[in-house]
Amino acid sequence: GAVVSQHPSRVICKSGTSVKIECRSLDFQATTMFWYRQFPKQSLMLMATSNEGSKATYEQGVEKDKFLINHASLTLSTLTVTSAHPEDSSFYICSARDLDRGKTQYFGPGTRLLVL
Amino acid sequence: GESVGLHLPTLSVQEGDNSIINCAYSNSASDYFIWYKQESGKGPQFIIDIRSNMDKRQGQRVTVLLNKTVKHLSLQIAATQPGDSAVYFCAENRPGGNTPLVFGKGTRLSVIA
Repeated sequence: GAVVSQHPSRVICKSGTSVKIECRSLDFQATTMFWYRQFPKQSLMLMATSNEGSKATYEQGVEKDKFLINHASLTLSTLTVTSAHPEDSSFYICSARDLDRGKTQYFGPGTRLLVL
Repeated sequence: GESVGLHLPTLSVQEGDNSIINCAYSNSASDYFIWYKQESGKGPQFIIDIRSNMDKRQGQRVTVLLNKTVKHLSLQIAATQPGDSAVYFCAENRPGGNTPLVFGKGTRLSVIA
């Protein structure tokens, strides 16, 4: 159990366009979802925490108007990178937690974004 | 041997040998710890966890040791295989409700066949 999916797995887009990434918990209800980005050979950097039905909490330095997060249901969260630029190119990974199961975070497979 | 790369330290191990990956955590009040494995181009996978009321936990070919006195966590992999090559992250849960796990910098394990 505790499977998390992400879609798409990779996306290439032109500078200035917006990209939406979906994160789904497939076999459990995620009370909380987390969004990370990861640059090559580096650790995961937490971008934001979202709880179902409430506004996301963003980490310092992460622009909330640039990275829109929606957590409309207990199984789906979306991250929209608005007006993407080449510096937004990265590996975006979501993680889900069901507090009834404990503090373990289960990760999705990641989305590789390349902005040209 | 162990070396520090540009961002991630790397541990090189001969196939069949045992691997020990170390992690220092920062908060003495952290009560839960997890080891994750991340293969290239994939998301982190849960390997094993341990609560702070334990000092050792064993899984299949993996053992996690917790030393709260010096705030140190280690992951031991027995009979390391090429498929174990990946980056390994430790994560700690700090007290305070629904807070995210705090991840270490990661160690790249390279298995030499």
